[in-house]
Amino acid sequence: EVQLVQSGAEVKKPGESLKISCKGSGYRFTSYWIGWVRQMPGKGLEWMGIIYPGDSETRYSPSFQGQVTISADKSISTAYLQWSSLKASDTAMYYCLRRTPTSSTLDYWGQGTLVTVSS
Amino acid sequence: QSALTQPASVSGSPGQSITISCTGTSSDVGGYNYVSWCQQHPGKAPKLMIFDVSNRPSGVSNRFSGSKSGNTASLTISGLQAEDEADYYCSSYTSNSTLVVFGGGTKLTVL
Repeated sequence: EVQLVQSGAEVKKPGESLKISCKGSGYRFTSYWIGWVRQMPGKGLEWMGIIYPGDSETRYSPSFQGQVTISADKSISTAYLQWSSLKASDTAMYYCLRRTPTSSTLDYWGQGTLVTVSS
Repeated sequence: QSALTQPASVSGSPGQSITISCTGTSSDVGGYNYVSWCQQHPGKAPKLMIFDVSNRPSGVSNRFSGSKSGNTASLTISGLQAEDEADYYCSSYTSNSTLVVFGGGTKLTVL
């Protein structure tokens, strides 16, 4: 069974750093892209970026380029989303998802990680 | 502003059919048969409902169907049920470097 399991909720202060994770299981981790999506409270899904764990090729949405870093450790089938200096506006639910290599289908989603940034 | 355009809301009565549109460009929706639709209930993760324009994953009701004409894709839900009330998002492959584009989402209300 394909699963993407994300790390737990985080509460941070502005200016702090954070790295959240997404562990894949039930499939060959290196053969599928892993993407990240932000959902701010009461808002829609926003595409942040994507990584191919097989060779670590990474693409970012222009809105998030330079604001976050996406990485992956294929030895433990885990992808990461990290911030070096959080802002209150980063408060949101973050989902990871799997993208098929051929048709760009976003077929499996993680359960989400709630990040709250507040002083 | 999202790359793909969806209506903010649609509504229908139980048993009726509704259609949600998703308009893009020739760089995404119009250029490839790689449009997907996902459903999101409040407080839940999105769930894939349609992929490759018109295909349903295993377990998804055949009341859900997808189509495309030019730069606009559509999701149709027939025989509306109360459980269909949710947010629906389209996504597509894009030839831009980001690989994926999303619609802004459509809130479906079952009256």
